Amino acid sequence: AQSVTQLDSHVSVSEGTPVLLRCNYSSSYSPSLFWYVQHPNKGLQLLLKYTSAATLVKGINGFEAEFKKSETSFHLTKPSAHMSDAAEYFCVVRDGGATNKLIFGTGTLLAVQP
Amino acid sequence: EPEVTQTPSHQVTQMGQEVILRCVPISNHLYFYWYRQILGQKVEFLVSFYNNEISEKSEIFDDQFSVERPDGSNFTLKIRSTKLEDSAMYFCASSGGPRGNTEAFFGQGTRLTVV
Repeated sequence: AQSVTQLDSHVSVSEGTPVLLRCNYSSSYSPSLFWYVQHPNKGLQLLLKYTSAATLVKGINGFEAEFKKSETSFHLTKPSAHMSDAAEYFCVVRDGGATNKLIFGTGTLLAVQP
Repeated sequence: EPEVTQTPSHQVTQMGQEVILRCVPISNHLYFYWYRQILGQKVEFLVSFYNNEISEKSEIFDDQFSVERPDGSNFTLKIRSTKLEDSAMYFCASSGGPRGNTEAFFGQGTRLTVV
């Protein structure tokens, strides 16, 4: 079965410093992986996706993630945090069944300090 | 940009009452989903719907839940007799197809509070 593990429930950074949100996946085959962001009282917005093309995936708002098969990781990074990045971030894997439902990690709450 | 819309944004209901959560998926999408997020917990899959029938459901999706696509545009989730533990944020999503690189687009959610 597919699963993802987000290693940090809370991350706090200062504005202008790098962001690293960690995610490890478990999959019996090449997975499709996503990062979604949820701002307070908002819906889920797709940040980026990996679907077996380039291992370094660039997303919106300056975020990127690198798929590392050897480490079964898909960490999300951003060189310089902005106050507007404060939100909850979900690492997600697509299930390989007929409906391709999404399986969510537990989320990482990112706080950005001024 | 096309988007998934959900109504209402908030719903408060008394325990035992029926509620219907509504969603308008992206118009050319074929696959529809409901997920829920209990406060402080992760987002959980409830049900997927394709070709006018349920294609997969989780064990959460018991006989109290039903889904319907009544008119070709709306996609509804009905809870027949709400329980306190049904209080959650409910997200609707749609995607063009299950294969390839088509991601799911989510609505902004309906926050259901059962009192």
